[in-house]
Amino acid sequence: EVQLVESGGGLVQPGGSLRLSCAASGFPFSNYWMSWVRQAPGKGLEWVANIQQDGSENYYVDSVKGRFTISRDNAKNSLYLQMNSLRAEDTAVYYCARRASGRGIIDYWGQGTLVTVSS
Amino acid sequence: EIVMTQSPASLSVPPGERATLSCRASQSVSSNLGWYQQKPGQAPRLLIYGASTRATGIPARFSGSGSGTDFTLTISSLQSEDFAVYYCQQYNTWPWTFGQGTKVEIK
Repeated sequence: EVQLVESGGGLVQPGGSLRLSCAASGFPFSNYWMSWVRQAPGKGLEWVANIQQDGSENYYVDSVKGRFTISRDNAKNSLYLQMNSLRAEDTAVYYCARRASGRGIIDYWGQGTLVTVSS
Repeated sequence: EIVMTQSPASLSVPPGERATLSCRASQSVSSNLGWYQQKPGQAPRLLIYGASTRATGIPARFSGSGSGTDFTLTISSLQSEDFAVYYCQQYNTWPWTFGQGTKVEIK
């Protein structure tokens, strides 16, 4: 069974940093692109970042470029999102997600972790 | 960035009736479109990809159609478990973008 379990969310002040982690199991992690998708409270979905299987290629939405870094450790079956210079508008549930093979869609999602940026 | 616009924003449908949800892209996305279902407090679930292919385990009452800029998700006979928010998402051009959602409510 595919499982994605996020951790690391919480309350942080504007300008602060936070690192999210995602533990993956139940599938060959190193074979898949992975992603982070976020959802502000009561709002829609926003695809934040993608990372290739070996970590050599990644993509970010413009609103987080230069502030967020996606990374992975295939030996630990883990995905990460380092978030710096956080803003109030980054407040959201952050989902770890597996991209379906060969397609830009998500076939498995974690349960999400809430990040709140507030003073 | 490709803007995805869903209509209507909300839809009230009696159980057993058909629901038709629309999604329009600001430019062509070919058939690179997916649909997701999200229930309160849960992560989204993939329903459709490639505009019309049902994901694994998705009941046949869910169907997708369209290509280019106009797409439709049809739920042929609404069941109680289908009342949720539905999102379309294009994956033709980065950044991949979602519509704002259509909430399907019980009438």
